[in-house]
Amino acid sequence: AQSVAQPEDQVNVAEGNPLTVKCTYSVSGNPYLFWYVQYPNRGLQFLLKYITGDNLVKGSYGFEAEFNKSQTSFHLKKPSALVSDSALYFCAVRARMGSNSNSGYALNFGKGTSLLVTP
Amino acid sequence: GAVVSQHPSRVICKSGTSVKIECRSLDFQATTMFWYRQFPKQSLMLMATSNEGSKATYEQGVEKDKFLINHASLTLSTLTVTSAHPEDSSFYICSARVRGGGTIFSEQYFGPGTRLTVT
Repeated sequence: AQSVAQPEDQVNVAEGNPLTVKCTYSVSGNPYLFWYVQYPNRGLQFLLKYITGDNLVKGSYGFEAEFNKSQTSFHLKKPSALVSDSALYFCAVRARMGSNSNSGYALNFGKGTSLLVTP
Repeated sequence: GAVVSQHPSRVICKSGTSVKIECRSLDFQATTMFWYRQFPKQSLMLMATSNEGSKATYEQGVEKDKFLINHASLTLSTLTVTSAHPEDSSFYICSARVRGGGTIFSEQYFGPGTRLTVT
């Protein structure tokens, strides 16, 4: 089964410092990986995705993620954190859903990591 | 950008009653919509995949007679929780994939979620 794991429930960073939110994956075949952010009482917003190509993927709001095949990781990073980055971050992997081959693909999410950036 | 709305944002109902949640793609057509459930401090769990004009595909363990999904048009999917019980209380989130958006590699756009409380 395609799955991702986020080992940290919470990450605390001081504003201006670099941040990393960890994600590891377990897939059969090529992984298609995503990062989403969720602000309180809001839906998820897409940040970036890795399908193929360069291992360093750049996304929205200055975020980037590095795909590392040997470590099966897809950590989210940002060089300089902002207080407004404080939110819940989800790593996700594409997975075929349902027992029917026509079910199509959806996303399997990690449990989420709460990022707190302090002034 | 692509916007997905949900209505209502919050609903309280009595045990045994039914409640309908709407998911709309506001500025795009979505052939596929997804319904997720999120428990506090937990990840999103896919409940079902909804394709316009056809029956929804439910994930294992999700009762299709309890969670009725209708995808009547390219911009609207509804989730009806029938005979609701307190254990159905949760945060329900829908997402939509853009029609013709490149199949499996397309991002999903998420609604803001609906907080259901069953008393």
